[in-house]
Amino acid sequence: GENVEQHPSTLSVQEGDSAVIKCTYSDSASNYFPWYKQELGKRPQLIIDIRSNVGEKKDQRIAVTLNKTAKHFSLHITETQPEDSAVYFCAASPRYQKVTFGTGTKLQVIP
Amino acid sequence: DAGVIQSPRHEVTEMGQEVTLRCKPISGHNSLFWYRQTMMRGLELLIYFNNNVPIDDSGMPEDRFSAKMPNASFSTLKIQPSEPRDSAVYFCATKGDGQYEQYFGPGTRLTVT
Repeated sequence: GENVEQHPSTLSVQEGDSAVIKCTYSDSASNYFPWYKQELGKRPQLIIDIRSNVGEKKDQRIAVTLNKTAKHFSLHITETQPEDSAVYFCAASPRYQKVTFGTGTKLQVIP
Repeated sequence: DAGVIQSPRHEVTEMGQEVTLRCKPISGHNSLFWYRQTMMRGLELLIYFNNNVPIDDSGMPEDRFSAKMPNASFSTLKIQPSEPRDSAVYFCATKGDGQYEQYFGPGTRLTVT
């Protein structure tokens, strides 16, 4: 089955700096890579996703990159703000089936 | 749409008691997933259904756990008997046919004393 590894487990940045979270996956059949944000006591919510036919995708201050050859993908947050503080999960999924989540990165943005 | 609905939101029970968690998917969504989240193990998939049929239950930890989906609008996750190590937040998530995005419910925080 799919195995997703995520690094780092914790990340502290100064407000305004960039944050980068990296993930690797094992199943070459995976073609969908979502990123979820979970605030304390809340449910995970999708913030951005990318499919295997795309190498990069941007949405305002958030971008994701995908390298299928190396089986890794990354989340980039620019101009971080205190409200970006949360736990971020990467995930991988083959076709429309089950999603395997990474272990999460706790991001702290220091004002 | 009200989104994915889970009940109860909080459950405190004693070891050995039966616990039933409930989930109502978003109307029209035909895939339903049960997850367990703990600090130690992160977000784990327990079981998922497609068109009310269990597709993969390899994440169900042991026979004390069972899940059903009797119809397209309701699913249950049952733990019998419950143990302190079952304490976690249990999420239900659903998605539509041919769609990628899963929508999570608010979760049920289970505490077994």
